[in-house]
Amino acid sequence: SSELTQDPAVSVALGQTVRITCQGDSLRSYYASWYQQKPGQAPVLVIYGKNNRPSGIPDRFSGSSSGNTASLTITGAQAEDEADYYCNSRDSSGNHDVVFGGGTKLTVL
Amino acid sequence: QLQLQESGPGLVKPSETLSLTCTVSGGSISSSSYYWGWIRQPPGKGLEWIGSIYYSGSTYYNPSLKSRVTISVDTSKNQFSLKLSSVTAADTAVYYCASSLKTTVPRFDPWGQGTLVTVSS
Repeated sequence: SSELTQDPAVSVALGQTVRITCQGDSLRSYYASWYQQKPGQAPVLVIYGKNNRPSGIPDRFSGSSSGNTASLTITGAQAEDEADYYCNSRDSSGNHDVVFGGGTKLTVL
Repeated sequence: QLQLQESGPGLVKPSETLSLTCTVSGGSISSSSYYWGWIRQPPGKGLEWIGSIYYSGSTYYNPSLKSRVTISVDTSKNQFSLKLSSVTAADTAVYYCASSLKTTVPRFDPWGQGTLVTVSS
């Protein structure tokens, strides 16, 4: 199966914009889904498809994709956005395998 | 809306089989719109997809775990289950069940709260 690579840690000043990236061969063919996970909690879907937010997710979260890289952007980061963020997608081999990125720890300064 | 809840032993001995059940409420596990998946997270580490099942019984497993994993569905109880055989300490993790719409790209939503399974004698 293919891999998805994320930066282990990213920081952003309160109110500023941050981009979290996810790289992998499968992203040339498929979009990524993005999840937010706070300590001790289950992951929550924040972005899926081209750039879709589930109900209840603030519009400061957005997604984009180019080549083999998918990005999650938080515009105007808030203190409550401090969390781990994971991308996932489908394996590039054409089967139904699912792959997750290693996760990015976002710190809001 | 869908809600999922994991249940099962929190402690399993090495070499034995880990067994967990996920109970689905707020919707039918027989829906043709969803896959039902298991994901795990070792303490302090990232997420790992274990496998998924469709209501028809079609299964899809992580190649790295395929030889030890069985996922099944019980439509009469609105549940699906995970069995992981020959466990070692490396299988200690929080195990999540989640639903994923049957779309090209999997998107797990919602997730169960997770259950910690420790492998230890």
